[in-house]
Amino acid sequence: GAVVSQHPSRVICKSGTSVKIECRSLDFQATTMFWYRQFPKQSLMLMATSNEGSKATYEQGVEKDKFLINHASLTLSTLTVTSAHPEDSSFYICSARSTKEDGFQETQYFGPGTRLLVL
Amino acid sequence: GQNIDQPTEMTATEGAIVQINCTYQTSGFNGLFWYQQHAGEAPTFLSYNVLDGLEEKGRFSSFLSRSKGYSYLLLKELQMKDSASYLCAAMDSNYQLIWGAGTKLIIKP
Repeated sequence: GAVVSQHPSRVICKSGTSVKIECRSLDFQATTMFWYRQFPKQSLMLMATSNEGSKATYEQGVEKDKFLINHASLTLSTLTVTSAHPEDSSFYICSARSTKEDGFQETQYFGPGTRLLVL
Repeated sequence: GQNIDQPTEMTATEGAIVQINCTYQTSGFNGLFWYQQHAGEAPTFLSYNVLDGLEEKGRFSSFLSRSKGYSYLLLKELQMKDSASYLCAAMDSNYQLIWGAGTKLIIKP
């Protein structure tokens, strides 16, 4: 399967600071990237969907000014958690998907996740 | 509305077979995915079905019935490392994945 990397894998920061998480598709071009959040023992929660070169589409209840998403190229998307607070502590997972020329949407592959702890 | 149902938890014995069921209701349908997620890790892709029938891949098989809105994941010759959550996800007409809450599979020796 395709490989998606995510960096950093773990981050601890102070309340009020900003944290940037990178998501890269290593061996394919990701026309669409997704950002999820998962709290312990809960299911994945989609935060936003981003297509390369356009603004991200945020799910209801997700603050776009707090969770800044940039999908600058076909292999890189970043999520910046601005002014982080302890309640933002969670497991953040990105996934990437490519689109074939005929419009068929390929399988979605996940990065390894980033565990964020805000003190 | 869109909805995915799967059991919350299942228990099985090492070496046995287990079937994890999933029913779905989506606006349009572009396929059914199964992912495995070990505790503290991100999901990994297991299978994709878009046509009716059974897809076999080693010890894991996945079945789809589009008319019934139903899929199952079959795991054979269970190993302790198969203890994980198994996530069912259906792709809707907008190519968005609608996720189930996951089935936690516990394997006992």
